[in-house]
Amino acid sequence: KQEVTQIPAALSVPEGENLVLNCSFTDSAIYNLQWFRQDPGKGLTSLLLIQSSQREQTSGRLNASLDKSSGRSTLYIAASQPGDSATYLCAALPNAGNMLTFGGGTRLMVKP
Amino acid sequence: DTGVSQNPRHKITKRGQNVTFRCDPISEHNRLYWYRQTLGQGPEFLTYFQNEAQLEKSRLLSDRFSAERPKGSFSTLEIQRTEQGDSAMYLCASSTNSGDEKLFFGSGTQLSVL
Repeated sequence: KQEVTQIPAALSVPEGENLVLNCSFTDSAIYNLQWFRQDPGKGLTSLLLIQSSQREQTSGRLNASLDKSSGRSTLYIAASQPGDSATYLCAALPNAGNMLTFGGGTRLMVKP
Repeated sequence: DTGVSQNPRHKITKRGQNVTFRCDPISEHNRLYWYRQTLGQGPEFLTYFQNEAQLEKSRLLSDRFSAERPKGSFSTLEIQRTEQGDSAMYLCASSTNSGDEKLFFGSGTQLSVL
């Protein structure tokens, strides 16, 4: 059974800082790895999707990497802004099946 | 089309009552998913439809839960004889069958069972 873990559970940084959020998964037989953002009381917004054959994806100030062999993914946020404050969730999609397994999320606070 | 729509946004019910939630996916998406999320946790998979066919169900989906997608468009999730442990955010998501599996989520229905 796939297990996804995110560390840290919460993070507070000053505005402008570059930061890294970590995601680890136990089963490397994944089809893709996805990162989402969730604002309080809201649904999830897809940020980046990395296919199993890819090493990284970039969108604006966000860069996500994937290392299947070590079961790890990182989300790098450059020049953080207060508007980046949210919970960030990673999720792994298996090769067989359509069930995304989510981590518990990292709650990010960027202070002005 | 503005995205995945879920109704109601909030539902408060008494223990033992039945509740039904609706999800309208993005119109061209043939895949539809239901997830449940409790406070401070990541979403947990409940069930998945491709068109009108329910292809996967989690063990979390007890006999009190039933989901339908009768015409391959909107979907409903019904919970019978609600329990306090059913209190959660119920999220719906949809995707195309393109192979990239990018999911688009609705804003969810927050259920509170008193």
